[in-house]
Amino acid sequence: EPEVTQTPSHQVTQMGQEVILRCVPISNHLYFYWYRQILGQKVEFLVSFYNNEISEKSEIFDDQFSVERPDGSNFTLKIRSTKLEDSAMYFCASSGTGSGSLTGYTFGSGTRLTVV
Amino acid sequence: KQEVTQIPAALSVPEGENLVLNCSFTDSAIYNLQWFRQDPGKGLTSLLLIQSSQREQTSGRLNASLDKSSGRSTLYIAASQPGDSATYLCAVVNTGFQKLVFGTGTRLLVSP
Repeated sequence: EPEVTQTPSHQVTQMGQEVILRCVPISNHLYFYWYRQILGQKVEFLVSFYNNEISEKSEIFDDQFSVERPDGSNFTLKIRSTKLEDSAMYFCASSGTGSGSLTGYTFGSGTRLTVV
Repeated sequence: KQEVTQIPAALSVPEGENLVLNCSFTDSAIYNLQWFRQDPGKGLTSLLLIQSSQREQTSGRLNASLDKSSGRSTLYIAASQPGDSATYLCAVVNTGFQKLVFGTGTRLLVSP
């Protein structure tokens, strides 16, 4: 069964450093997403990406965050200057349609980001 | 603003029991609803997807129903097994949007 792959599985970074989280979505999917889950809290939407541009974003996704699809397979989330409160599990997801109407959303196994 | 609530927050049952997990949402203008399973420290595994025009979906021992007008969905797990122990998340997509709005989850423990 097709998978969404995320790397690394765990990243520790110092406050103020830049981090890039990487994802390889399912190959024939067109919509890509980032979500995050702070320990003990709900999974929260960050951003959706379609046709090489952001199609929807939450209030969490401020100027410190950016997304990119640098080639035909990778999808990245960059945090420019990490803060302690950015510590969370970050999930990448993809779907064939914008509302996940055909097969739903497929999530990766996540990157646990720890900011120290 | 869509709010998704799941009851109960935690549930502990002996193996073999049938159980029901509940999900409610405040805005009935949803496009679809998806149930996920999350194991501790792991990713989200999709269990069932229900389109807004559907009433239920089944996969193996799992059955999910949707009552859009009342803003409710239930996940029924038949003959529970210890391997079913996990957190179960409900999430909805509102019509015209792309983002999933997640519930708080139900943490299930099935003891042998």
